[in-house]
Amino acid sequence: RKEVEQDPGPFNVPEGATVAFNCTYSNSASQSFFWYRQDCRKEPKLLMSVYSSGNEDGRFTAQLNRASQYISLLIRDSKLSDSATYLCVVNSNAGNMLTFGGGTRLMVKP
Amino acid sequence: GAGVSQSPSNKVTEKGKDVELRCDPISGHTALYWYRQRLGQGLEFLIYFQGNSAPDKSGLPSDRFSAERTGESVSTLTIQRTQQEDSAVYLCASSPTGYYGYTFGSGTRLTVV
Repeated sequence: RKEVEQDPGPFNVPEGATVAFNCTYSNSASQSFFWYRQDCRKEPKLLMSVYSSGNEDGRFTAQLNRASQYISLLIRDSKLSDSATYLCVVNSNAGNMLTFGGGTRLMVKP
Repeated sequence: GAGVSQSPSNKVTEKGKDVELRCDPISGHTALYWYRQRLGQGLEFLIYFQGNSAPDKSGLPSDRFSAERTGESVSTLTIQRTQQEDSAVYLCASSPTGYYGYTFGSGTRLTVV
């Protein structure tokens, strides 16, 4: 079983739609959680950290369920510019090491 | 500097030649990581440096791959006797610790012909 699993997609949604991505992780000792965004032929960039109580940044909402070892990202009112691959990222037992999921590809259509 | 800097941005090399890739981390970041990303694939961990501790080399795919870092400064990733399967984007990242996430450089696109 992979340490961090994501549905690779692609998710094809119209502009203005709400879309949700899910991610599961296997290491119950993980302490830090993130969503990264990677545009085509670019490096990954931190989108947002994920906090235990859930957190929101504009149109983006992240949730963490430690009991189920599950992380989610909700994007409201999708924009064309949201088209990218979204990476679920979890820290490992080693503390400083992050483990990256394979990514979920989102395509927002006009 | 303001971000993680990698050089060269693109490198085309002949099969069998050695290549050296460079990474300048963000000043003050004690941790430095190298990843490889093949076209259309996910990130593949290669090696991790934390301060002056022994590096975690568990991701290096073969003994043709090696990396060095002096203290908390520049790192170089060396690939000897390059093969076509080494063609990929090599990404470097740095962080104060993994709890705060990584900042990636823009990568070196390596093409072995």
